[in-house]
Amino acid sequence: EADIYQTPRYLVIGTGKKITLECSQTMGHDKMYWYQQDPGMELHLIHYSYGVNSTEKGDLSSESTVSRIRTEHFPLTLESARPSHTSQYLCASSELPGTIYFGEGSWLTVV
Amino acid sequence: SQQGEEDPQALSIQEGENATMNCSYKTSINNLQWYRQNSGRGLVHLILIRSNEREKHSGRLRVTLDTSKKSSSLLITASRAADTASYFCATEPNTGNQFYFGTGTSLTVIP
Repeated sequence: EADIYQTPRYLVIGTGKKITLECSQTMGHDKMYWYQQDPGMELHLIHYSYGVNSTEKGDLSSESTVSRIRTEHFPLTLESARPSHTSQYLCASSELPGTIYFGEGSWLTVV
Repeated sequence: SQQGEEDPQALSIQEGENATMNCSYKTSINNLQWYRQNSGRGLVHLILIRSNEREKHSGRLRVTLDTSKKSSSLLITASRAADTASYFCATEPNTGNQFYFGTGTSLTVIP
């Protein structure tokens, strides 16, 4: 059973609002990731981190930002949400080599 | 893109039949993993096969890996309606920086 948690699971917000998607893991993994996935589509890596104070952009350009102040916490922030940000956001963590563990996902709808 | 591709994109079979899905990738890898995603949920790890392995079994799952062709297959035997989900392959390149996910196969098992 994976110990990685995302909140909120579902969020509907208005255009222009600032939102933060929370992600926490209790496995002590150094590596954490954020993926964006539209329904029925592939996963796109938008951010990752190798450890505290490390953040990198992924393959898919995103207007979101991340921070990694603590090992267990990897929040994702959108300063000004737009309808094009509507998607599912999946947080994950791992030790490489090894298995990647996913949270349940956060569904964001921007109206 | 370094992401892999899976085929078929969608597969529909009768309960009790076997389901086979394939994954092709582009880089040299440490390992390849298969994940399952139920609709609207996060991904769940199914099985990992290392680059020096050719075949691996776990319950009703059988995974093969051909590193010369940069391809893998996942076979689900005696399928059940509960196997209905999307299945993704993920590769860990031997540069060891991150995972790359395939495009996914949507499997429907008809009772």
